[in-house]
Amino acid sequence: DVKVTQSSRYLVKRTGEKVFLECVQDMDHENMFWYRQDPGLGLRLIYFSYDVKMKEKGDIPEGYSVSREKKERFSLILESASTNQTSMYLCASSLLGTYSYNEQFFGPGTRLTVL
Amino acid sequence: AQKVTQAQTEISVVEKEDVTLDCVYETRDTTYYLFWYKQPPSGELVFLIRRNSFDEQNEISGRYSWNFQKSTSSFNFTITASQVVDSAVYFCALSEGSNAGKSTFGDGTTLTVKP
Repeated sequence: DVKVTQSSRYLVKRTGEKVFLECVQDMDHENMFWYRQDPGLGLRLIYFSYDVKMKEKGDIPEGYSVSREKKERFSLILESASTNQTSMYLCASSLLGTYSYNEQFFGPGTRLTVL
Repeated sequence: AQKVTQAQTEISVVEKEDVTLDCVYETRDTTYYLFWYKQPPSGELVFLIRRNSFDEQNEISGRYSWNFQKSTSSFNFTITASQVVDSAVYFCALSEGSNAGKSTFGDGTTLTVKP
């Protein structure tokens, strides 16, 4: 069974704090993703990584950065949290296919509240 | 640019009714993949099915069936004899061959099955 785990289910932070969200997968997947999910807006891609130390911006990267030092771990960093970053954050991973694109496996999500 | 539209925001049915969730996509690529995911109230997205653009065969898995029609750019999902456990948010997603494994998700359809 593929397992994607996220460090916290619920997190409350104050405006201006630096926030780290951690994601770990145990299936040796090359691709890892960070999304935020907001009511009525579906899933929006923040950042994507296809290899260690490699990253690509998604649709809404402003205010976020990421780190991938090891293949199994992908961290999302909010440099200075703001109230509009209150959201559900979802991490996912997928296998890099040679001739196909594979389904993503999701973690349970972190509900972040910024006060 | 790729786009996925799930026009039905919310659907409510009574148990044992059949229900179809619509998904319309836009892409310029000839090679692409379509996915459906389920997000139950517990929150974790679960992969249901993947289809590539060269395979228009419909698929049935138990009470679930998928109808892929390239002519109308649609990939609809039907649940036969719905059950309360089918209550969830369902997402349709598209990965283009030129887009390195990233997916664009629709906004989701919330299905409520009442007993």
